[in-house]
Amino acid sequence: DAKTTQPPSMDCAEGRAANLPCNHSTISGNEYVYWYRQIHSQGPQYIIHGLKNNETNEMASLIITEDRKSSTLILPHATLRDTAVYYCIVRVYSGGGADGLTFGKGTHLIIQP
Amino acid sequence: IAGITQAPTSQILAAGRRMTLRCTQDMRHNAMYWYRQDLGLGLRLIHYSNTAGTTGKGEVPDGYSVSRANTDDFPLTLASAVPSQTSVYFCASRLLAGVNTGELFFGEGSRLTVL
Repeated sequence: DAKTTQPPSMDCAEGRAANLPCNHSTISGNEYVYWYRQIHSQGPQYIIHGLKNNETNEMASLIITEDRKSSTLILPHATLRDTAVYYCIVRVYSGGGADGLTFGKGTHLIIQP
Repeated sequence: IAGITQAPTSQILAAGRRMTLRCTQDMRHNAMYWYRQDLGLGLRLIHYSNTAGTTGKGEVPDGYSVSRANTDDFPLTLASAVPSQTSVYFCASRLLAGVNTGELFFGEGSRLTVL
């Protein structure tokens, strides 16, 4: 799996958009970008994933650069409940893969009231 | 049961004792995983299972064993606990066939303290 780099922490004001960056300069053509988050003391929760096109769901948007070497997770209107550690992971999408996902240290996002 | 259930939620254990952490899922996922989470080290994969009857080693398998006798259950056993195994343990599962997002579903964790 490609290595990812994320800032250790970020602050964002409540109601504003939170933009979380992730660098994955060694990503290969068949590796997907996944985002998970972990709210204190809970199990990680899936947010979104993508290959090369931008993706949006009810939780967030994922913007992947054209060269795929970096991506940004966008929480459009952050709330206090979005305070969590956010993990960016890249790996091959494989129906037979069974090695789990490699979680780094993530970004601790703190939403300020 | 809905999703993944882990038990116990927390346990204090004397060093040298045997301990089994239980994990049960009702989503008929074929793949299951055990992670441990330690402060400053993030989540690390201990063992995984593709399907009932098969298991594999993750990043930090030493001191742990798993079994997968059926689809729903994936217990993690510490044969002789040591203090370095003090951690929060997360079980996860996902479906590896059909329309597969690769999404992992996690349990709420088991906090283990070995004294």
